[in-house]
Amino acid sequence: QVQLQESGPGLVKPSQTLSLTCTVSGGSISSGDYYWSWIRQPPGKGLEWIGYIYYSGSTYYNPSLKSRVTISVDTSKNQFSLKLSSVTAADTAVYYCAREGNYYDSSGYWGWYFDYWGQGTLVTVSS
Amino acid sequence: SSELTQDPAVSVALGQTVRITCQGDSLRSYYASWYQQKPGQAPVLVIYGKNNRPSGIPDRFSGSSSGNTASLTITGAQAEDEADYYCNSRDSSGNRLFGGGTKLTVL
Repeated sequence: QVQLQESGPGLVKPSQTLSLTCTVSGGSISSGDYYWSWIRQPPGKGLEWIGYIYYSGSTYYNPSLKSRVTISVDTSKNQFSLKLSSVTAADTAVYYCAREGNYYDSSGYWGWYFDYWGQGTLVTVSS
Repeated sequence: SSELTQDPAVSVALGQTVRITCQGDSLRSYYASWYQQKPGQAPVLVIYGKNNRPSGIPDRFSGSSSGNTASLTITGAQAEDEADYYCNSRDSSGNRLFGGGTKLTVL
């Protein structure tokens, strides 16, 4: 059973950098079959995808956050991490890490899905 | 456009059938996936691909797609199905998209 667990400070000051780590157990980040994503949810609002990393280190970020986001991977520790710079109160949210798989069928269509999620960690931006 | 649109709220009588929809141009090219989220909990995948349910998801949950619209159908809704539901897909650039979510109330 794959499990993901977020860790990091729950309080960050405005203008500083938010840093979180996701530890994966029950499966290897290096398997190559999955992408590893960060997703956030402001209190009372919907889900926002932040970006993903592949075990090789290749990344893709949400264009709306790209200038402030860095996602990295440490395959030796089976972890991946998120850094979000220059935070403001608008970055206050529950941050989730998740595993993403893909699906392809005979009709020629692809689909992607997040099949395992961490429990989430609330990060508050406040002085 | 790179957006997925969902109705903010839907209600269903206990035991009846409800359809939750998700619209977006990307759905003409890619399947949607669907997530159930209960208060204070992480989202749970309920449908992916053409109409696939992960292990442990009841068969009253099903998915379908037509044109730019994906649908999640709950046949015989139960009280425990009351939750927020989100659709998810990607656009042609690789950006992952979420719909705004639909709050399902079971009456």
